[in-house]
Amino acid sequence: QQQVRQSPQSLTVWEGETAILNCSYEDSTFNYFPWYQQFPGEGPALLISIRSVSDKKEDGRFTIFFNKREKKLSLHITDSQPGDSATYFCAASDTNTNKVVFGTGTRLQVLP
Amino acid sequence: EAAVTQSPRSKVAVTGGKVTLSCHQTNNHDYMYWYRQDTGHGLRLIHYSYVADSTEKGDIPDGYKASRPSQENFSLILELASLSQTAVYFCASTRLGGLAEQFFGPGTRLTVL
Repeated sequence: QQQVRQSPQSLTVWEGETAILNCSYEDSTFNYFPWYQQFPGEGPALLISIRSVSDKKEDGRFTIFFNKREKKLSLHITDSQPGDSATYFCAASDTNTNKVVFGTGTRLQVLP
Repeated sequence: EAAVTQSPRSKVAVTGGKVTLSCHQTNNHDYMYWYRQDTGHGLRLIHYSYVADSTEKGDIPDGYKASRPSQENFSLILELASLSQTAVYFCASTRLGGLAEQFFGPGTRLTVL
């Protein structure tokens, strides 16, 4: 049973466009949602994260929008750059666990 | 300097053979994790540990053992490697369990023939 779902599986945008990556979860106890970025041949690295007390988190061109009622969140990448081409993982955890549950990832390609 | 290192970076093993994957971290973190990555499945947790000499089962522990002899080192052991264990394996460390940033190693690509 997939507790964290991501869509789309892959996404292609042109340089300068906004890429929108979606994520949903099932467990209402989740209260921490990190997004990890992974380049080919490397391990994932934390990009940006949000806690459930907030509905928005911004860091430069990257913004997380969080809807607790619907158990959904999205990562918006504005002014997408070819260097943003990577796989993005949405993840979730809560204060009662030492584990993080990862989604299956969205592969983003930004064309110049 | 890389804070989480893995060895080997790639390995070819034979079905039924024993495989040991090693992870070393210099972050001074208590928590360490082993994940496998497969296309279409993302990252799945195999085993984790929050203190030396103790390990916990993750979501897909069958066919794997783990060992945490010290705070810095965490190994993943495949006693009888199978074709289905062909994957990329990542080790990660973190300070506060599920609520803190995980720092990943570069991965080990394992191919079982």
